[in-house]
Amino acid sequence: GAVVSQHPSWVICKSGTSVKIECRSLDFQATTMFWYRQFPKQSLMLMATSNEGSKATYEQGVEKDKFLINHASLTLSTLTVTSAHPEDSSFYICSARDWGPYNEQFFGPGTRLTVL
Amino acid sequence: AQSVAQPEDQVNVAEGNPLTVKCTYSVSGNPYLFWYVQYPNRGLQFLLKYITGDNLVKGSYGFEAEFNKSQTSFHLKKPSALVSDSALYFCAVRDMEGDKIIFGKGTRLHILP
Repeated sequence: GAVVSQHPSWVICKSGTSVKIECRSLDFQATTMFWYRQFPKQSLMLMATSNEGSKATYEQGVEKDKFLINHASLTLSTLTVTSAHPEDSSFYICSARDWGPYNEQFFGPGTRLTVL
Repeated sequence: AQSVAQPEDQVNVAEGNPLTVKCTYSVSGNPYLFWYVQYPNRGLQFLLKYITGDNLVKGSYGFEAEFNKSQTSFHLKKPSALVSDSALYFCAVRDMEGDKIIFGKGTRLHILP
């Protein structure tokens, strides 16, 4: 089956620094990837849709200057949390959509971000 | 707008008993429906999906779900629960025309030994 990886799996950073999270589709090409955020004991909230070669589409209430998304290739999307603050601490999960007839999404294992 | 409701925050079931985790949905067209399981500090693991065809869908780890169009439900079931089934379960929906998957708030399943 289709595999999506994320790196790093966890990261701790100081307040004010920037953190980059990578999402890779390992065995298929994904023109579209999605970034989700999950607070403790809560559901996944879609942050943005990442399209290869074009600007990401952000959901309402998500700061595009805070959460920079780059989808430079068909297998890689990155999420950069700029000037991170403790309230940005969360579990970030990406997914990649395949080319099949049903445009299924396959999810990465997630990245735990802790901002001190 | 599409939405998913999981009415139970937590479900407790004795090991060996059948389990049901409820899910209802709302979409403008025909739905794609999914169940995922999440263990602590882990990503989502795909359990099963309904796209078209038989209303009873069989998935991983002995789970199954029944699509009921008239009741707009997609309840997750398993005939005999295991302690290892204890986890957080998410129901999700996507309409056939769109890209976005909308998740329910999740149901925590506790299987009691």
